[in-house]
Amino acid sequence: DTAVSQTPKYLVTQMGNDKSIKCEQNLGHDTMYWYKQDSKKFLKIMFSYNNKELIINETVPNRFSPKSPDKAHLNLHINSLELGDSAVYFCASSQDGRGPSSKLFFGSGTQLSVL
Amino acid sequence: KQEVTQIPAALSVPEGENLVLNCSFTDSAIYNLQWFRQDPGKGLTSLLLIQSSQREQTSGRLNASLDKSSGRSTLYIAASQPGDSATYLCAVKGQAGTALIFGKGTTLSVSS
Repeated sequence: DTAVSQTPKYLVTQMGNDKSIKCEQNLGHDTMYWYKQDSKKFLKIMFSYNNKELIINETVPNRFSPKSPDKAHLNLHINSLELGDSAVYFCASSQDGRGPSSKLFFGSGTQLSVL
Repeated sequence: KQEVTQIPAALSVPEGENLVLNCSFTDSAIYNLQWFRQDPGKGLTSLLLIQSSQREQTSGRLNASLDKSSGRSTLYIAASQPGDSATYLCAVKGQAGTALIFGKGTTLSVSS
């Protein structure tokens, strides 16, 4: 059973299109994240939700909008895609209520290529 | 603002060697520190987590240490194997409810 699953694994699209990436976790965690890994492999936080509430929103363009229908799902919608959005997007989850021993679990990533 | 630096960026060793990967962070007020492994085209796998009150954690051939006062952590890999070849990332969490801040990783290549 996959703990954190993302779909699709690969996404190739034209500039200007709107696309969504879905994420689901079956670990019962209360906190979910979206990270972006750029071409230099640097992993940077974008958003974090705790029990469906947005708690972290880094300086990300407004074209990126996360949505959490319930605490097991965190989707990422991207409007008007640009070339610079090409990257690997990782979903992750953790159980923050378990204190400093709580590990972060990652999905396998979505490789987005904007042409 | 917390910054995490990993040195070296890349490392090549022959099989069987013991090696140390280094991680430093600028703000010593951390909640925990985690080491991850990333294989090409894959997600990240958590290897070890050290809470702020701990000095080290061990799992098999891996040992991670934490010195909060100096803002440093090391990942020691004993008797390296080709299967250890991957990118190793260090990440720190400033406080509960915040996200992990990652270093850029060390890419390890172990030759047989």
